[in-house]
Amino acid sequence: DIQMTQSPSFLSASVGDRVTINCKASQNINKYLNWYQQKLGEAPKRLIYNTNSLQTGIPSRFSGSGSGTDYTLTISSLQPEDVATYFCQQYNSWWTFGGGTKLELK
Amino acid sequence: QIQLVQSGPELKKPGESVKISCKASGYTFTDYAMHWVKQAPGKGLKWMGWINTYTGKPTYADDFKGRFVFSLEASASTANLQISNLKNEDTATYFCASGITFDYWGQGVIVTVS
Repeated sequence: DIQMTQSPSFLSASVGDRVTINCKASQNINKYLNWYQQKLGEAPKRLIYNTNSLQTGIPSRFSGSGSGTDYTLTISSLQPEDVATYFCQQYNSWWTFGGGTKLELK
Repeated sequence: QIQLVQSGPELKKPGESVKISCKASGYTFTDYAMHWVKQAPGKGLKWMGWINTYTGKPTYADDFKGRFVFSLEASASTANLQISNLKNEDTATYFCASGITFDYWGQGVIVTVS
């Protein structure tokens, strides 16, 4: 099974900051990676698919990159509405989620 | 538009069973796989398995073999998750999600076992 290790688990940042969240796979996942945002009490919302494709309707301040085993979600300028927990998910071999990153405002 | 609408919250006692549903609309139900995902309170997301909506064949992740059953009512564009012999650790929100890449998600069903 492919394991997904997400870091950091917790992140505190200020409005306007550039934020990066990392996900490391236990083996090559060939860019088959989603990023989700989950707000309290809501279902996850997909932000990015195939590593770097922005879901329709998602602000362009969100972007994804990576290859092989290492992937990154970047928020270019943090907004108050971005406070949430973020998850990565691989779908190269079955499906596995990362442990999550809780993002709060400083 | 594409929607997955799940059934309402459930409160059960240990040892009982529960069946939750996920009704799809806005697309041809049999075109996309349906996945199930568990989220325990304050925890992350765990993939439970999926069902091929064309053939009806279910596949379960290792931790969800035995007490968990995925089924379909294809004529009603509905996927179901049944959990038998409920345990306290089954307390969670259960999501359905459609497509190989989890394109669309239901709103989740809170199941409380107490």
